[in-house]
Amino acid sequence: AQSVTQLDSHVSVSEGTPVLLRCNYSSSYSPSLFWYVQHPNKGLQLLLKYTSAATLVKGINGFEAEFKKSETSFHLTKPSAHMSDAAEYFCVVSDTAGGTSYGKLTFGQGTILTVHP
Amino acid sequence: DGGITQSPKYLFRKEGQNVTLSCEQNLNHDAMYWYRQDPGQGLRLIYYSQIVNDFQKGDIAEGYSVSREKKESFPLTVTSAQKNPTAFYLCASSGRRNILSNQPQHFGDGTRLSIL
Repeated sequence: AQSVTQLDSHVSVSEGTPVLLRCNYSSSYSPSLFWYVQHPNKGLQLLLKYTSAATLVKGINGFEAEFKKSETSFHLTKPSAHMSDAAEYFCVVSDTAGGTSYGKLTFGQGTILTVHP
Repeated sequence: DGGITQSPKYLFRKEGQNVTLSCEQNLNHDAMYWYRQDPGQGLRLIYYSQIVNDFQKGDIAEGYSVSREKKESFPLTVTSAQKNPTAFYLCASSGRRNILSNQPQHFGDGTRLSIL
């Protein structure tokens, strides 16, 4: 079984300050982990993915995330927020168990990021 | 550019009516998925298909049906049996997973379905 918990439903920051979006997961097997971003009335865009290589993963638009197995966490960070970062962010886990070509995704509830001028 | 096209962007349904949402991809992906998104609930899987002419129920398949006659296409029908169909519907696709990891899913821009 796998699950994802995004610890904050809303995060508000000022432009130019750091962003931290928290995610904890549980998985019975070696997980693949993803962060997606969704702007209003749009689909989800992949920000970054962890797939058992380097634990610090760099993504698009200056975002990065660190996989910490001991803490079962995969928090998303960005050193300096931009107005265009305002959106909803989803942490997603997918285990690699099973013999199928499909790894079921489990989505967190989402974190809405607001960026103030 | 490769991608996923969902149509229409907005759709309205009368009570007792079936409606079909279109999803087409030109990414040459084997697997395709349909999700339903409701505010504050993340995404929930309706159906998925790993290969042409084969599909499986997801977590909330009741009141929905799909077909996969072509690799590029995975239409979703919302039937009159779905009692609360108002939601944002997202289609996604992914390549075949490799031995190390699962492939990320690529998403369309969604269809918003409302009941008249």
